Amino acid sequence: ILNVEQSPQSLHVQEGDSTNFTCSFPSSNFYALHWYRWETAKSPEALFVMTLNGDEKKKGRISATLNTKEGYSYLYIKGSQPEDSATYLCAYPTGGFKTIFGAGTRLFVKA
Amino acid sequence: DAMVIQNPRYQVTQFGKPVTLSCSQTLNHNVMYWYQQKSSQAPKLLFHYYDKDFNNEADTPDNFQSRRPNTSFCFLDIRSPGLGDAAMYLCATSRASGPGETQYFGPGTRLLVL
Repeated sequence: ILNVEQSPQSLHVQEGDSTNFTCSFPSSNFYALHWYRWETAKSPEALFVMTLNGDEKKKGRISATLNTKEGYSYLYIKGSQPEDSATYLCAYPTGGFKTIFGAGTRLFVKA
Repeated sequence: DAMVIQNPRYQVTQFGKPVTLSCSQTLNHNVMYWYQQKSSQAPKLLFHYYDKDFNNEADTPDNFQSRRPNTSFCFLDIRSPGLGDAAMYLCATSRASGPGETQYFGPGTRLLVL
C-alpha cells in the first residue's frame, strides 16, 4: 500500500516567522510530486509540481525542494503572513490516473 | 474565470436517504475526479471519468455511484448514506492523464448524515 505522510499535522507560528514542513513518499517508481494550498472555505489550489531529483521551485515567499532518492519534499515559507494560513497538501501520482494525497499540514499564522 | 463549481456547499441528509452532489466545470477538461475526505485524513479517490470512460477505485463502496452526462457536469450519488459517509467531497478536473497534470478543485461539499 502506497503511503504519503506529511508532518507536522499542524503548526502554529507568529507573523514573520519562517517555517517548513515535510512530505514523505515512496522513493521507487517516482513520477512527480505536487503541492497544493487549501484555504478554509476555498478550493485547493496548485502551488508546485516537481519532477526531477534536486528540483527547487519558488513562488514569492514559498519554495519547495525535492529529494526523490530518499522520498521527501520540503515546503518552506519565509516570513509567514496571516494570509498564509491554510492546509498544505502534497500529492503523489502513481503513474495512472490515481494520485495519493497526504493528510496535509495545517498552518496557523498569528498576527 | 474558468473554474470548478460544486453545489451545494453543505448538504444535510438523513440516514439511508439518497443524496446527489453535483460538480460542474468551465475548463473543458477531459478528466473529472471525486474525492472523499474525512476529518484530518487525506483526500481519497473514489472514482474518475476520462471523457465518458468511468473508473471506479477498487475500495469504493457500492453505495457510491457517479454520472457524467456531458463534459461539463459530473454527479456523485450516494444511494443509502450511512453515518460513516459524512465527509467533505471534493470534485477535481485535469486536462489529461499523466503524473505531471495539475488537478483543479472545487471548494467541496460537506455532507452531514443525521
